[in-house]
Amino acid sequence: DAKTTQPNSMESNEEEPVHLPCNHSTISGTDYIHWYRQLPSQGPEYVIHGLTSNVNNRMASLAIAEDRKSSTLILHRATLRDAAVYYCILRPDQTGANNLFFGTGTRLTVIP
Amino acid sequence: NAGVTQTPKFQVLKTGQSMTLQCAQDMNHNSMYWYRQDPGMGLRLIYYSASEGTTDKGEVPNGYNVSRLNKREFSLRLESAAPSQTSVYFCASSEGADLNQPQHFGDGTRLSIL
Repeated sequence: DAKTTQPNSMESNEEEPVHLPCNHSTISGTDYIHWYRQLPSQGPEYVIHGLTSNVNNRMASLAIAEDRKSSTLILHRATLRDAAVYYCILRPDQTGANNLFFGTGTRLTVIP
Repeated sequence: NAGVTQTPKFQVLKTGQSMTLQCAQDMNHNSMYWYRQDPGMGLRLIYYSASEGTTDKGEVPNGYNVSRLNKREFSLRLESAAPSQTSVYFCASSEGADLNQPQHFGDGTRLSIL
């Protein structure tokens, strides 16, 4: 499975935008890019996913590089509730197994 | 909306004891999963069930068994608990075998084995 590389930790001020990077230089053409986050003492929560085009939803935006070797999760206005570990995950477009391969993620600290 | 419900939330076992972790989802999802999370690490897949009546091993299946009791319920059993199985266990579900459907997670079972 293709691997992802994320910074261990990042900080952001409250109410400012946050850009969380993810490198995936060995991504294959059919791998989707997924982001999940895990708040303290909770299970992971789906954030967003995409293949080639940038994606937006109510939680965040996903910007995917043209060569797809990297992506960035954008939180437009960080709140204290966004403090969590953010996981960038690659998922091949195959039927059958639907398992996620989590790395160690980026721990986001939001400063009031 | 309950989503994915895991019981119990906390459990302490002695080495060699057995235990079943319960998971139920009320979203009519076809696929269900069991993960474990150790300190400082991401989640690792133990077993999954792509659909009712099927189960498959994940990344770390040794020491565990699973049962897909019906469409709603997917249990994880430790037959003879070992200290190395001290972890937080998460159950998840997704609508189907389409890999790009989001997984919905429960809040976890915190298991300590002495």
